[in-house]
Amino acid sequence: NAGVTQTPKFQVLKTGQSMTLQCAQDMNHEYMSWYRQDPGMGLRLIHYSVGAGITDQGEVPNGYNVSRSTTEDFPLRLLSAAPSQTSVYFCASSYSVAEATEAFFGQGTRLTVV
Amino acid sequence: TQLLEQSPQFLSIQEGENLTVYCNSSSVFSSLQWYRQEPGEGPVLLVTVVTGGEVKKLKRLTFQFGDARKDSSLHITAAQPGDTGLYLCAGLTAYSGAGSYQLTFGKGTKLSVIP
Repeated sequence: NAGVTQTPKFQVLKTGQSMTLQCAQDMNHEYMSWYRQDPGMGLRLIHYSVGAGITDQGEVPNGYNVSRSTTEDFPLRLLSAAPSQTSVYFCASSYSVAEATEAFFGQGTRLTVV
Repeated sequence: TQLLEQSPQFLSIQEGENLTVYCNSSSVFSSLQWYRQEPGEGPVLLVTVVTGGEVKKLKRLTFQFGDARKDSSLHITAAQPGDTGLYLCAGLTAYSGAGSYQLTFGKGTKLSVIP
């Protein structure tokens, strides 16, 4: 079972470069989200989507863009990378938008911006 | 932003000892989840508690949701080296942005169980 797949696993960017972090799930989940994890900060929500064509901002959306053209895919775009965006990024999906549903996480993308 | 405070931040204990991790907030959550994360991996759900006062057991792990649904605890009995990892609590709240819910995570408790 693939679950939630993130690519790439590691990435080094130069300041000002743009890139897209890919996330795909094969569980037909409605809800998908992106988090960043920094030491001592826990997981912070960047953007989320409740279904194809519907996205919204989370706690720390600045510098990131998302779109959801299909149920399966939820890419995260860094428009102009900054050193402050050095972090580990996790994509997650859930079966529904109802409460008490399990979030399935990908293995993460470790991004370094130099 | 609704905050979840976890304590302690770090915990190093000997195999066989008991421990408790706390997750506190001033906000009410509709439900609360506990995840465990190993290095290089994403978090994996351990349990979801929904009802105030609820207690759930998962082998040597006991989870409790406070009566007021603002706090939770995780108790591990006779810790094993395999329990080593980062434990995260996450509160679920309705989020008006897109008529959905949002998971707010605590900063985590890093547990090391020494053989």
